[in-house]
Amino acid sequence: SQQGEEDPQALSIQEGENATMNCSYKTSINNLQWYRQNSGRGLVHLILIRSNEREKHSGRLRVTLDTSKKSSSLLITASRAADTASYFCATSTGNQFYFGTGTSLTVIP
Amino acid sequence: GAVVSQHPSWVICKSGTSVKIECRSLDFQATTMFWYRQFPKQSLMLMATSNEGSKATYEQGVEKDKFLINHASLTLSTLTVTSAHPEDSSFYICSAGERGGGWSPLHFGNGTRLTVT
Repeated sequence: SQQGEEDPQALSIQEGENATMNCSYKTSINNLQWYRQNSGRGLVHLILIRSNEREKHSGRLRVTLDTSKKSSSLLITASRAADTASYFCATSTGNQFYFGTGTSLTVIP
Repeated sequence: GAVVSQHPSWVICKSGTSVKIECRSLDFQATTMFWYRQFPKQSLMLMATSNEGSKATYEQGVEKDKFLINHASLTLSTLTVTSAHPEDSSFYICSAGERGGGWSPLHFGNGTRLTVT
């Protein structure tokens, strides 16, 4: 399976703290994306990082990519209660998208 | 932004019946749509890749005769769960990539919760 692994599986932090979640994958990729899913809903795209990029920022989000280690991290700074959701990384190889196992983030007000 | 509409959002059916789920791209052309299945508190598992005008490509372990996929136009793909059984109860999500967009980013429907009694 090409499915990636994410850790931690669950993360609980206080509002205002930073949240870091990691993603590891198995094969060479074209790009890696992070998605957010609220309970029982579809996924919302957060950020994409290409295989030749090492770091990318978007608002309170910071993504890093280490292709030598086949890993990526998503940092959410100054977390808010509304950030509570599940976060998935997804890797693209050719015509398929595969999702990681996900991290469930709970931000306590 | 691009919108993917998935219908129905929730369906309850009796064991042995078939259920059709629709996935529409509302304001863009989607030559490829992806169908995923998600169990509670788990990740999305890719079931199949649906290509407009051709047969779907199924992932290993997914029964193509049970999960019929039709992608007849650039804006509509359907997933039919045939002879549904309780173990088919799950959350099904479709996604679509914009034509020429290199599948990035994908736009997701809001999912269909299927409950088979």
